[in-house]
Amino acid sequence: EPEVTQTPSHQVTQMGQEVILRCVPISNHLYFYWYRQILGQKVEFLVSFYNNEISEKSEIFDDQFSVERPDGSNFTLKIRSTKLEDSAMYFCASSPLTSGSYEQYFGPGTRLTVT
Amino acid sequence: QQQVKQSPQSLIVQKGGISIINCAYENTAFDYFPWYQQFPGKGPALLIAIRPDVSEKKEGRFTISFNKSAKQFSLHIMDSQPGDSATYFCAASQFSGGYNKLIFGAGTRLAVHP
Repeated sequence: EPEVTQTPSHQVTQMGQEVILRCVPISNHLYFYWYRQILGQKVEFLVSFYNNEISEKSEIFDDQFSVERPDGSNFTLKIRSTKLEDSAMYFCASSPLTSGSYEQYFGPGTRLTVT
Repeated sequence: QQQVKQSPQSLIVQKGGISIINCAYENTAFDYFPWYQQFPGKGPALLIAIRPDVSEKKEGRFTISFNKSAKQFSLHIMDSQPGDSATYFCAASQFSGGYNKLIFGAGTRLAVHP
């Protein structure tokens, strides 16, 4: 069964450093999302992406964040200058391009630890 | 208005019992209500979902009940098993132009005791 994959599974970085989190969505999906989950809290929407542009972003997704689809398979989230409060699990999700299809399928996540 | 309120925060059920988790929302524009199951260290996995044009959906031991007038929906796990022990999140979204951000509830940690 196709699944969303994410790398790395765990990233440790120092405050102020740039990180890039990578995702490979399910191959026939064209809607992509990033969510984050601070330890013990609920999952929060960050950004949605379609047709090589951001379709919606949350208040969390400030100028330090960016997303990109550099090729036909990868979808990346970049944090330019990490802060301690960026420590969280980051989940990528994707949806199929089907009229009325709402399902979002999540990857296993990347645990980001900012020290 | 974008919030989804979930209760209880934690739930302990004996094996074979019924687990019930409730969610409430305010935004009447929401038109998709999924439930996700999450095991420690894993991503949320889509369990079951419902649209507001039906009041109930059943898949195996999992049932969603939906009350549009009360703006509430719930997950029922029949014959709960220890393997069901996980965190369950309800969510809601409004389909908009082909994409739909999910608004998650706070989660319910379910423990099923043998």
